[in-house]
Amino acid sequence: QVQLQESGPGLVKPSQTLSLTCTVSGGSISSGSYYWSWIRQPAGKGLEWIGRIYTSGSTNYNPSLKSRVTISVDTSKNQFSLKLSSVTAADTAVYYCARVRLAAGSDPFIDYWGQGTLVTVSS
Amino acid sequence: QSVLTQPPSASGTPGQRVTISCSGSSSNIGSNTVNWYQQLPGTAPKLLIYSNNQRPSGVPDRFSGSKSGTSASLAISGLQSEDEADYYCAAWDDSLNGHWVFGGGTKLTVL
Repeated sequence: QVQLQESGPGLVKPSQTLSLTCTVSGGSISSGSYYWSWIRQPAGKGLEWIGRIYTSGSTNYNPSLKSRVTISVDTSKNQFSLKLSSVTAADTAVYYCARVRLAAGSDPFIDYWGQGTLVTVSS
Repeated sequence: QSVLTQPPSASGTPGQRVTISCSGSSSNIGSNTVNWYQQLPGTAPKLLIYSNNQRPSGVPDRFSGSKSGTSASLAISGLQSEDEADYYCAAWDDSLNGHWVFGGGTKLTVL
């Protein structure tokens, strides 16, 4: 059973860079059957997709965050990471890492999520 | 403002059948399949339905999904108290180089 675990600072100052890492266990991040995503959820609100990365390193980002987001992968550590620059209070949210399954004969779908980590932007 | 539109709340009594709608557009639901997630309080979303109407192993057959045009629905039959949760729909959107979009979530209350 695959497991995803987010880690990183729970408090970030305004204008600084938020950095999170997702460690994947129970399976290889290098499998071509998946790609990897970050998703966030402000308190009491809905889900917002941040971006994705394939193990080849190819990325796509949410157009609304694209100028501030970088997602990278470290296959040697079975991890992928998120950096969000110039943060403001509006970036306060629970951040989830997730696996997207590339299933033959069907569209991709998000099948597993990490437990989520709360990041608060405050001075 | 979420790209996919869901009712903010729904309710039913134990044993009843409840449906939750999800409305989108031609670039998301109209072009791609819909997935549904259940989020219990304080926990991560859990995959409930994928590819419009497929259930992962372990998900009871009380849960079913359907799609027509640019709308989708999640149906829960034989409602149980443990079904009280937030439910989200999701789909890939082909616009702007592609991105996942979600509904705003529907809070289901079992009366």
